[in-house]
Amino acid sequence: GAVVSQHPSRVICKSGTSVKIECRSLDFQATTMFWYRQFPKQSLMLMATSNEGSKATYEQGVEKDKFLINHASLTLSTLTVTSAHPEDSSFYICSVREGGTDTQYFGPGTRLTVL
Amino acid sequence: GDSVTQMEGPVTLSEEAFLTINCTYTATGYPSLFWYVQYPGEGLQLLLKATKADDKGSNKGFEATYRKETTSFHLEKGSVQVSDSAVYFCALTKSGNQFYFGTGTSLTVIP
Repeated sequence: GAVVSQHPSRVICKSGTSVKIECRSLDFQATTMFWYRQFPKQSLMLMATSNEGSKATYEQGVEKDKFLINHASLTLSTLTVTSAHPEDSSFYICSVREGGTDTQYFGPGTRLTVL
Repeated sequence: GDSVTQMEGPVTLSEEAFLTINCTYTATGYPSLFWYVQYPGEGLQLLLKATKADDKGSNKGFEATYRKETTSFHLEKGSVQVSDSAVYFCALTKSGNQFYFGTGTSLTVIP
């Protein structure tokens, strides 16, 4: 299956700062990547679908100005949490859809803590 | 709408016990069904999948059979190990884009 990496794995920042999280597809070109958020002991919530070369599609209730997504190449999507606040603290996971299949492969996740 | 319901945990088993985690789904059409596993502090790893009725997915001793008549995809393993301790998610998709996840079942295997 596809290999997906995320960077950083953990980040701690002060309230009001912006944080960028990278998601890379290491072994194939992904036209579509997905960003999820997971709260402790809960399931994954899809935040947005990231499309290479075009604007991301956000799920209802997700602030697009708060969570900026850029998919500038076929192997890299970035999620920027702007003006982060403690309520943005969470585990953020990206995934890629393997071409020609309906399977998503997930990155290892990024733990964001906003102080 | 489409949805997945899986048994609530946590589940605690002794090593070498038999494991069943129930998963049922609601969906129109013909979804693909998945089990993902999440180890502490990590992302989700694909455990197994099935794409049509009566298919059996299997991996690392885990199995699940796509049962359309009961809309189920129960996860089973004959003999669990301590290293199987993790959270297990059942999921479905019809497009490969929109995934619907269950709430996850935490499994702890004690020696």
